[in-house]
Amino acid sequence: GQNIDQPTEMTATEGAIVQINCTYQTSGFNGLFWYQQHAGEAPTFLSYNVLDGLEEKGRFSSFLSRSKGYSYLLLKELQMKDSASYLCAVRDRGTGGFKTIFGAGTRLFVKA
Amino acid sequence: ETGVTQTPRHLVMGMTNKKSLKCEQHLGHNAMYWYKQSAKKPLELMFVYSLEERVENNSVPSRFSPECPNSSHLFLHLHTLQPEDSALYLCASSRPGHFSFYEQYFGPGTRLTVT
Repeated sequence: GQNIDQPTEMTATEGAIVQINCTYQTSGFNGLFWYQQHAGEAPTFLSYNVLDGLEEKGRFSSFLSRSKGYSYLLLKELQMKDSASYLCAVRDRGTGGFKTIFGAGTRLFVKA
Repeated sequence: ETGVTQTPRHLVMGMTNKKSLKCEQHLGHNAMYWYKQSAKKPLELMFVYSLEERVENNSVPSRFSPECPNSSHLFLHLHTLQPEDSALYLCASSRPGHFSFYEQYFGPGTRLTVT
């Protein structure tokens, strides 16, 4: 079956670096993506990985290891506005076609 | 403002009612999505339309019926819902294609309460 695990909550300090991990189990991996969601708002796309390695976009980077079923989102130079939920999602291609599943999200608290 | 609008923003309906949610995008995209976000549950992708054809169906009950008449509009028709269907329903759009699928722009959502 399909399963995604990520920590429920994390706390970090303004200006620091934080790494949010995501592990997944799928039968037909077709891509992994990260979204940011502030409380009461819709999600915002952050990154997409389909090949192994690190994708960097400003203060945010995302890493993928397909053989390990593992990804992480790295946030540098943390700002208070980075306090949000971070959603990891995987698209899987099975016999019935494509399915996309989301993790429960990691709530990040950035403190001064 | 992402260029994706949803109406109504709030909806209360009884279990025997029929209602429809509307989504419109002004971004020139031609892939559209319906999501369900319930309290304390992961975000669920319900339906995906690419070039007005359904391309992904994530095991959604038949009381939810999507319609995509053109690339700018997406509807979710609701009938005989259950209280557990109360949730925030989010619409999103993107350009179709393997890579651009993931860069989705979301609307503000419709907060649905089923009584």
